[in-house]
Amino acid sequence: DQQVKQNSPSLSVQEGRISILNCDYTNSMFDYFLWYKKYPAEGPTFLISISSIKDKNEDGRFTVFLNKSAKHLSLHIVPSQPGDSAVYFCAASLSGGSNYKLTFGKGTLLTVNP
Amino acid sequence: NAGVMQNPRHLVRRRGQEARLRCSPMKGHSHVYWYRQLPEEGLKFMVYLQKENIIDESGMPKERFSAEFPKEGPSILRIQQVVRGDSAAYFCASSLRGTQNTGELFFGEGSRLTVL
Repeated sequence: DQQVKQNSPSLSVQEGRISILNCDYTNSMFDYFLWYKKYPAEGPTFLISISSIKDKNEDGRFTVFLNKSAKHLSLHIVPSQPGDSAVYFCAASLSGGSNYKLTFGKGTLLTVNP
Repeated sequence: NAGVMQNPRHLVRRRGQEARLRCSPMKGHSHVYWYRQLPEEGLKFMVYLQKENIIDESGMPKERFSAEFPKEGPSILRIQQVVRGDSAAYFCASSLRGTQNTGELFFGEGSRLTVL
């Protein structure tokens, strides 16, 4: 049972345009959401997060939007840069005692073309 | 490099052999987590350890897998009698605080196990 779903295995965008990566979840108990970025042969690195009490969090070129009623979140990258090309993982957790136990999606490979 | 260090980066084992994966957390971190990524899958939580203690092993397979984080030295994930289905990337992560943290884990580069 996949509780966090990233339905697009890959996404290709032009440099300077907006990249939108989507993520859906099924467990309504999740209340903290994170995006990680992963380059080949490296470990995932934390990018941005959002608590369920918010619907938007922004950090530079990266913005995460959360729609709790739809159990959907998205990551917007604008403007996209070639260095953003990587696999992006959406992850969710429960706050409180087990917030280290992240449930990851399968990832979306983003390619930003120069 | 003050990041999470994992070794070996690549490990090849034949069925029935043992695999030992090591992880040194970031300096100052005493909380270690192991995740496994099977081919074409997302990372899945295996175990959470603090120095000399297993805090949560709910993601560990019941047999053949064990983990430790001794007072001195790295954390070790041990897989006995490996099978082909154990082939995966094993990621270690660490954090400064344990259950009070916000889920922002610092991951190592992973150890890729291939079972022939």
